Amino acid sequence: SAVISQKPSRDICQRGTSLTIQCQVDSQVTMMFWYRQQPGQSLTLIATANQGSEATYESGFVIDKFPISRPNLTFSTLTVSNMSPEDSSIYLCSVPIQGAGGYTFGSGTRLTVV
Amino acid sequence: GQNIDQPTEMTATEGAIVQINCTYQTSGFNGLFWYQQHAGEAPTFLSYNVLDGLEEKGRFSSFLSRSKGYSYLLLKELQMKDSASYLCAVRDGGYSTLTFGKGTMLLVSP
Repeated sequence: SAVISQKPSRDICQRGTSLTIQCQVDSQVTMMFWYRQQPGQSLTLIATANQGSEATYESGFVIDKFPISRPNLTFSTLTVSNMSPEDSSIYLCSVPIQGAGGYTFGSGTRLTVV
Repeated sequence: GQNIDQPTEMTATEGAIVQINCTYQTSGFNGLFWYQQHAGEAPTFLSYNVLDGLEEKGRFSSFLSRSKGYSYLLLKELQMKDSASYLCAVRDGGYSTLTFGKGTMLLVSP
Protein backbone atom coordinates (compact mmCIF):
# COMPACT_ATOMS: atom_id res chain seq x y z
CA SER A 1 0.00 0.00 0.00
CA ALA A 2 1.00 3.62 -0.41
CA VAL A 3 3.31 5.18 2.16
CA ILE A 4 2.45 8.70 3.28
CA SER A 5 4.93 11.11 4.78
CA GLN A 6 3.12 13.80 6.76
CA LYS A 7 4.72 16.77 8.43
CA PRO A 8 5.00 18.43 10.79
CA SER A 9 4.18 15.70 13.29
CA ARG A 10 3.24 18.29 15.89
CA ASP A 11 3.28 22.02 16.43
CA ILE A 12 2.26 24.58 18.99
CA CYS A 13 1.00 27.78 17.39
CA GLN A 14 -0.17 31.20 18.50
CA ARG A 15 -3.77 32.13 17.89
CA GLY A 16 -4.28 34.18 14.76
CA THR A 17 -1.44 32.51 12.87
CA SER A 18 -1.59 29.86 10.15
CA LEU A 19 -0.01 26.43 9.79
CA THR A 20 0.50 24.46 6.61
CA ILE A 21 0.55 20.67 6.81
CA GLN A 22 2.12 18.62 4.04
CA CYS A 23 1.48 15.08 2.83
CA GLN A 24 3.76 13.33 0.36
CA VAL A 25 2.72 9.96 -1.07
CA ASP A 26 5.19 7.50 -2.58
CA SER A 27 2.86 6.72 -5.49
CA GLN A 28 0.41 8.61 -7.65
CA VAL A 29 -3.13 8.77 -6.29
CA THR A 30 -6.15 10.44 -7.78
CA MET A 31 -7.80 11.46 -4.53
CA MET A 32 -6.42 12.57 -1.20
CA PHE A 33 -8.51 13.27 1.87
CA TRP A 34 -7.98 15.54 4.85
CA TYR A 35 -9.49 14.68 8.23
CA ARG A 36 -9.63 16.29 11.63
CA GLN A 37 -9.74 14.39 14.89
CA GLN A 38 -10.56 16.55 17.89
CA PRO A 39 -9.52 15.34 21.34
CA GLY A 40 -11.40 12.21 22.31
CA GLN A 41 -13.43 12.25 19.11
CA SER A 42 -13.57 10.27 15.90
CA LEU A 43 -12.41 11.43 12.50
CA THR A 44 -14.29 14.10 10.58
CA LEU A 45 -13.68 14.64 6.90
CA ILE A 46 -12.64 18.20 6.08
CA ALA A 47 -12.27 17.97 2.31
CA THR A 48 -11.27 15.90 -0.67
CA ALA A 49 -8.24 17.20 -2.56
CA ASN A 50 -8.45 16.61 -6.29
CA GLN A 51 -5.53 17.17 -8.62
CA GLY A 52 -6.32 19.76 -11.23
CA SER A 53 -9.47 21.07 -9.62
CA GLU A 54 -10.59 22.79 -6.45
CA ALA A 55 -10.97 20.76 -3.29
CA THR A 56 -14.43 19.58 -2.28
CA TYR A 57 -15.29 20.69 1.24
CA GLU A 58 -17.66 19.00 3.66
CA SER A 59 -20.41 20.81 5.46
CA GLY A 60 -19.00 23.06 8.15
CA PHE A 61 -15.61 23.53 6.50
CA VAL A 62 -14.74 26.40 4.16
CA ILE A 63 -11.88 27.16 1.83
CA ASP A 64 -10.97 30.43 3.54
CA LYS A 65 -10.31 28.60 6.80
CA PHE A 66 -8.78 25.42 5.35
CA PRO A 67 -7.22 26.17 1.97
CA ILE A 68 -5.91 23.08 0.23
CA SER A 69 -3.38 22.68 -2.55
CA ARG A 70 -2.91 19.65 -4.79
CA PRO A 71 -0.21 20.53 -7.31
CA ASN A 72 0.36 16.94 -8.47
CA LEU A 73 -0.73 13.35 -7.88
CA THR A 74 1.69 12.70 -5.01
CA PHE A 75 1.45 15.81 -2.86
CA SER A 76 -1.07 17.95 -1.01
CA THR A 77 -1.11 20.63 1.65
CA LEU A 78 -3.75 21.73 4.13
CA THR A 79 -3.49 25.14 5.76
CA VAL A 80 -5.26 25.92 9.01
CA SER A 81 -5.76 29.69 8.85
CA ASN A 82 -6.28 32.32 11.52
CA MET A 83 -6.09 29.67 14.20
CA SER A 84 -7.99 29.66 17.47
CA PRO A 85 -7.75 27.20 20.39
CA GLU A 86 -10.79 25.37 18.94
CA ASP A 87 -8.58 24.31 16.02
CA SER A 88 -6.44 22.23 18.37
CA SER A 89 -6.76 18.76 16.86
CA ILE A 90 -4.97 16.03 15.06
CA TYR A 91 -5.05 16.53 11.30
CA LEU A 92 -4.59 13.52 9.04
CA CYS A 93 -4.34 12.94 5.32
CA SER A 94 -5.51 9.73 3.71
CA VAL A 95 -5.33 8.00 0.33
CA PRO A 96 -6.96 4.87 -1.12
CA ILE A 97 -5.07 1.60 -0.84
CA GLN A 98 -4.66 0.27 -4.36
CA GLY A 99 -6.56 -2.96 -4.87
CA ALA A 100 -7.55 -3.48 -1.25
CA GLY A 101 -10.62 -1.29 -0.96
CA GLY A 102 -9.37 0.50 2.12
CA TYR A 103 -7.60 3.73 2.86
CA THR A 104 -4.26 4.43 4.52
CA PHE A 105 -3.51 7.40 6.73
CA GLY A 106 -0.56 9.63 7.29
CA SER A 107 0.92 9.68 10.77
CA GLY A 108 -0.99 12.83 11.66
CA THR A 109 -0.18 16.36 12.77
CA ARG A 110 -0.96 17.17 16.39
CA LEU A 111 -1.78 20.88 16.51
CA THR A 112 -2.09 22.87 19.71
CA VAL A 113 -3.20 26.49 19.48
CA VAL A 114 -2.43 28.69 22.46
CA GLY B 1 -26.47 11.71 5.54
CA GLN B 2 -24.94 8.99 7.63
CA ASN B 3 -25.62 7.79 11.17
CA ILE B 4 -23.17 5.27 12.59
CA ASP B 5 -23.48 3.76 16.05
CA GLN B 6 -21.04 1.64 17.99
CA PRO B 7 -20.52 1.09 21.72
CA THR B 8 -18.32 3.62 23.46
CA GLU B 9 -16.29 1.18 25.53
CA MET B 10 -15.76 -2.55 25.94
CA THR B 11 -13.57 -4.63 28.20
CA ALA B 12 -12.30 -8.15 27.71
CA THR B 13 -9.71 -10.55 29.03
CA GLU B 14 -6.51 -11.63 27.36
CA GLY B 15 -7.10 -14.79 25.29
CA ALA B 16 -10.83 -14.22 25.01
CA ILE B 17 -13.02 -13.32 22.03
CA VAL B 18 -14.77 -9.97 21.68
CA GLN B 19 -17.35 -8.75 19.18
CA ILE B 20 -17.69 -5.04 18.45
CA ASN B 21 -20.95 -4.12 16.78
CA CYS B 22 -21.67 -1.28 14.40
CA THR B 23 -25.04 -0.22 13.01
CA TYR B 24 -25.49 2.34 10.30
CA GLN B 25 -28.20 4.28 8.52
CA THR B 26 -27.04 5.79 5.26
CA SER B 27 -28.48 7.36 2.16
CA GLY B 28 -26.11 5.26 0.06
CA PHE B 29 -23.69 2.43 0.70
CA ASN B 30 -20.48 1.38 -0.97
CA GLY B 31 -18.54 -0.46 1.70
CA LEU B 32 -17.93 -0.68 5.42
CA PHE B 33 -14.48 -0.40 6.96
CA TRP B 34 -12.93 -1.19 10.31
CA TYR B 35 -9.89 0.63 11.63
CA GLN B 36 -7.75 0.21 14.72
CA GLN B 37 -6.30 3.29 16.39
CA HIS B 38 -3.87 3.22 19.27
CA ALA B 39 -3.64 6.32 21.42
CA GLY B 40 -1.60 9.02 19.75
CA GLU B 41 -1.31 7.13 16.48
CA ALA B 42 -3.02 7.23 13.10
CA PRO B 43 -5.78 4.72 12.29
CA THR B 44 -4.69 1.42 10.76
CA PHE B 45 -6.88 -0.31 8.17
CA LEU B 46 -8.20 -3.67 9.38
CA SER B 47 -10.95 -4.82 7.04
CA TYR B 48 -13.38 -3.94 4.29
CA ASN B 49 -16.81 -5.45 3.56
CA VAL B 50 -18.95 -4.53 0.59
CA LEU B 51 -20.95 -7.78 0.22
CA ASP B 52 -22.88 -9.63 2.90
CA GLY B 53 -20.98 -12.20 4.88
CA LEU B 54 -17.86 -12.79 6.87
CA GLU B 55 -14.34 -11.71 5.93
CA GLU B 56 -11.61 -13.41 7.92
CA LYS B 57 -8.09 -12.10 8.29
CA GLY B 58 -6.06 -13.86 10.90
CA ARG B 59 -7.34 -13.15 14.41
CA PHE B 60 -9.71 -10.52 13.08
CA SER B 61 -12.97 -11.12 11.20
CA SER B 62 -15.59 -8.69 10.00
CA PHE B 63 -19.21 -9.39 9.16
CA LEU B 64 -21.70 -7.36 7.15
CA SER B 65 -25.46 -7.50 6.68
CA ARG B 66 -26.54 -4.76 4.29
CA SER B 67 -30.26 -5.43 4.74
CA LYS B 68 -29.91 -4.90 8.49
CA GLY B 69 -27.39 -2.06 8.30
CA TYR B 70 -25.19 -4.03 10.64
CA SER B 71 -21.58 -5.07 10.95
CA TYR B 72 -19.35 -6.52 13.60
CA LEU B 73 -15.65 -6.90 14.13
CA LEU B 74 -14.63 -10.12 15.86
CA LEU B 75 -11.30 -10.29 17.62
CA LYS B 76 -10.06 -13.71 18.71
CA GLU B 77 -7.26 -14.75 21.07
CA LEU B 78 -7.10 -11.25 22.46
CA GLN B 79 -3.71 -9.83 23.30
CA MET B 80 -2.82 -6.85 25.46
CA LYS B 81 -1.70 -4.97 22.34
CA ASP B 82 -5.28 -5.16 21.03
CA SER B 83 -6.22 -2.47 23.54
CA ALA B 84 -7.14 0.38 21.23
CA SER B 85 -10.01 2.28 19.72
CA TYR B 86 -11.86 0.49 16.90
CA LEU B 87 -13.52 2.69 14.33
CA CYS B 88 -16.36 1.68 12.04
CA ALA B 89 -16.62 3.72 8.84
CA VAL B 90 -19.07 3.70 5.94
CA ARG B 91 -18.44 4.83 2.39
CA ASP B 92 -21.22 6.66 0.53
CA GLY B 93 -22.73 5.05 -2.53
CA GLY B 94 -21.59 7.60 -5.05
CA TYR B 95 -18.48 8.97 -3.39
CA SER B 96 -15.13 7.80 -2.11
CA THR B 97 -15.36 9.54 1.23
CA LEU B 98 -15.70 7.77 4.56
CA THR B 99 -17.92 8.68 7.49
CA PHE B 100 -16.58 7.40 10.79
CA GLY B 101 -18.41 6.29 13.89
CA LYS B 102 -17.24 7.63 17.24
CA GLY B 103 -15.16 4.54 17.90
CA THR B 104 -15.20 1.79 20.51
CA MET B 105 -12.44 1.86 23.11
CA LEU B 106 -11.44 -1.73 23.87
CA LEU B 107 -9.49 -2.46 27.03
CA VAL B 108 -7.88 -5.89 27.27
CA SER B 109 -6.91 -6.91 30.77
CA PRO B 110 -4.64 -9.77 31.93
